[in-house]
Amino acid sequence: GAVVSQHPSWVICKSGTSVKIECRSLDFQATTMFWYRQFPKQSLMLMATSNEGSKATYEQGVEKDKFLINHASLTLSTLTVTSAHPEDSSFYICSARATTSGINTGELFFGEGSRLTVL
Amino acid sequence: ILNVEQSPQSLHVQEGDSTNFTCSFPSSNFYALHWYRWETAKSPEALFVMTLNGDEKKKGRISATLNTKEGYSYLYIKGSQPEDSATYLCAGRDNYGQNFVFGPGTRLSVLP
Repeated sequence: GAVVSQHPSWVICKSGTSVKIECRSLDFQATTMFWYRQFPKQSLMLMATSNEGSKATYEQGVEKDKFLINHASLTLSTLTVTSAHPEDSSFYICSARATTSGINTGELFFGEGSRLTVL
Repeated sequence: ILNVEQSPQSLHVQEGDSTNFTCSFPSSNFYALHWYRWETAKSPEALFVMTLNGDEKKKGRISATLNTKEGYSYLYIKGSQPEDSATYLCAGRDNYGQNFVFGPGTRLSVLP
C-alpha cells in the first residue's frame, strides 16, 4: 500500500515561534494532500486541502495566514503554524490521495500525525 | 455529509468476545463510507470502502455492512484479540465535495 510519512511526531515550542510539519508520500505521487487537526475526544477536522503547484484551499474558520501550507512537489506538503500560541496545541495529521493508476480508489493514506504543544 | 457519528465512544471487551459498533451518517447525497483502524502512534489504516446499499465487506475476523437508506454502517469483530485494540474511525463522503467527514471514532480495548 501507499506510505505517507509525517515529521516531526512530537514538537514542543515556545509561544510566538513558528513550527513546520512535513508530510511526504514515499512511494506514490500525491497531487492532493489534506491537513487535519484533532482536539481530544473529537473528530478529525479538515483544515485545508493542499494542491501541488497551487494555493491551498482552507476550510471555513481556518486562518490561512496562521496555517501556511506549501505543496511544492508531488511528494511533499508542509504545514507551518506561524506565531504559535497555546490554543494551537493540538494533534495535526496529513493524508494524501494517490494518483498512481491501480491504487487510486479515492482512498486516503495517512501520515502518523504530529502532536504540537505550545508553551 | 455534515455530521458523522459513531457509537459507542469506547468499548472494553474480553479476548475472544465478538463485538460491533456503529457509524451513522446522513443518507442524502451519500457517495461512500470508509472504515479505518488507528493504532496508537501509527497511521490510520484503511479497512473498507463501501458504496452500495447492502454492501458487506470482510477482512479476516473483521467485517462491515452498509445501509445507505437509513444511514448507518456496522463494523463487526469476531473473536476479538488484544491486537485488535485500536480506535476505529469511519468517514463519509458525499456527492458534493467528496471530502471525507470523520466520526469521532470508537476506541476498542481488548483485555487478555
